[in-house]
Amino acid sequence: DIQMTQSPSSVSASVGDRVTITCRASQDISYWLAWYQQKPGKAPKFLIYAASSLQSGVPSRFSGSGSGTYFTLTISSLQPEDFATYYCQQANTFPPTFGGGTKVEIK
Amino acid sequence: EVQLVESGGGLVQPGGSLRLSCAASGFTFSDYEMNWVRQAPGKGLEWVSYINKNGNRIYYAASVKGRFTISRDNAKKSLYLQMLSLRVEDTAVYFCARVQSTYYMDVWGIGTAVTVSS
Repeated sequence: DIQMTQSPSSVSASVGDRVTITCRASQDISYWLAWYQQKPGKAPKFLIYAASSLQSGVPSRFSGSGSGTYFTLTISSLQPEDFATYYCQQANTFPPTFGGGTKVEIK
Repeated sequence: EVQLVESGGGLVQPGGSLRLSCAASGFTFSDYEMNWVRQAPGKGLEWVSYINKNGNRIYYAASVKGRFTISRDNAKKSLYLQMLSLRVEDTAVYFCARVQSTYYMDVWGIGTAVTVSS
């Protein structure tokens, strides 16, 4: 199975900050990567697919980039509703695998 | 509104069984492949099982293979997960998730909690 590694595991930031989360794959997954947002006690929300394509309805302050084995999720100006845990997921090879998550906390 | 709602979770002893259900609404259920994904307390997301549109292609994670069975009833717009020989490590919230394309999951249910404990 492809291993997905996220860093950092947590980040403290303030409203208005720019936040970048990284995700590394254990092998080349081209651009087959998704990002999800999860708030406590809630279901994951699908944010980005194909590494950089925004799902419908997702605010433009979210952006994704990367290919191969290195990917990033950037929130350009953190909003109060963005405090959550973010997961990457590879969609290149079965079975789909997730990163360990990055918790974005209030500073 | 596109929606998935899981049910059937609960407290069960090790070795016991449960059957989870996932009711779909707001979209044509038979047009989509489906997954079960779980999340142990305080942990990340783990894919559990996949089923294609007509139910004739099924996959399982190694951790549940031989113990869990995924199925679907397109007429009832429902997805199921039969869980046998449950272990303490199966304790998790179980989500059903719609497959958008490839292995992306674009719609998730609210989850149902399964606790395996004596």
